[in-house]
Amino acid sequence: DGGITQSPKYLFRKEGQNVTLSCEQNLNHDAMYWYRQDPGQGLRLIYYSQIVNDFQKGDIAEGYSVSREKKESFPLTVTSAQKNPTAFYLCASSIDRLATDTQYFGPGTRLTVL
Amino acid sequence: EDKVVQSPLSLVVHEGDTVTLNCSYEVTNFRSLLWYKQEKKAPTFLFMLTSSGIEKKSGRLSSILDKKELFSILNITATQTGDSAVYLCAVEASYQKVTFGIGTKLQVIP
Repeated sequence: DGGITQSPKYLFRKEGQNVTLSCEQNLNHDAMYWYRQDPGQGLRLIYYSQIVNDFQKGDIAEGYSVSREKKESFPLTVTSAQKNPTAFYLCASSIDRLATDTQYFGPGTRLTVL
Repeated sequence: EDKVVQSPLSLVVHEGDTVTLNCSYEVTNFRSLLWYKQEKKAPTFLFMLTSSGIEKKSGRLSSILDKKELFSILNITATQTGDSAVYLCAVEASYQKVTFGIGTKLQVIP
């Protein structure tokens, strides 16, 4: 079945540690996105990638890093520089960089920093 | 700063009722307005609206955009318990910049 997978579903880390969230898609989509959701706030764009080996900062990129070495994978690293890392993280993909109307979301990862 | 405001924040209705969810926005270089339904965490896409006055329909759901007054509504008729979810409105402004509202939480009770 085609889709987007994120792992793990729940993640706990100690303060000061970097942590990498996985996002994989087998939809052959060019564009991939990382969002963060906090209670009382809408989804906020962290990073996006339009094509392999290219990515752009979103609205809240500070304290995060990404890579796009393969079309199907877009891992997000939450670094120790991120001041409030505890949140729900959603990965998405779309057919191409112009098609936000066909954005497919993964199931999300809940990160809790202790 | 781009802004998307949804109202009400939460809503409780009985099965069979009709509901209207509101989304107003202030953005630079508007491209499209998107509605999502979020249940069990991952939002699913409902509608994309780009032109004023053209209603989009999908079953019991419909949505329309007013680009002059900068708002959109999402209507759900004959609500069912399965409609219970958070409904997110988002606006795409210029290339790849999407701003989300905080959502309207809808609860449909039998």
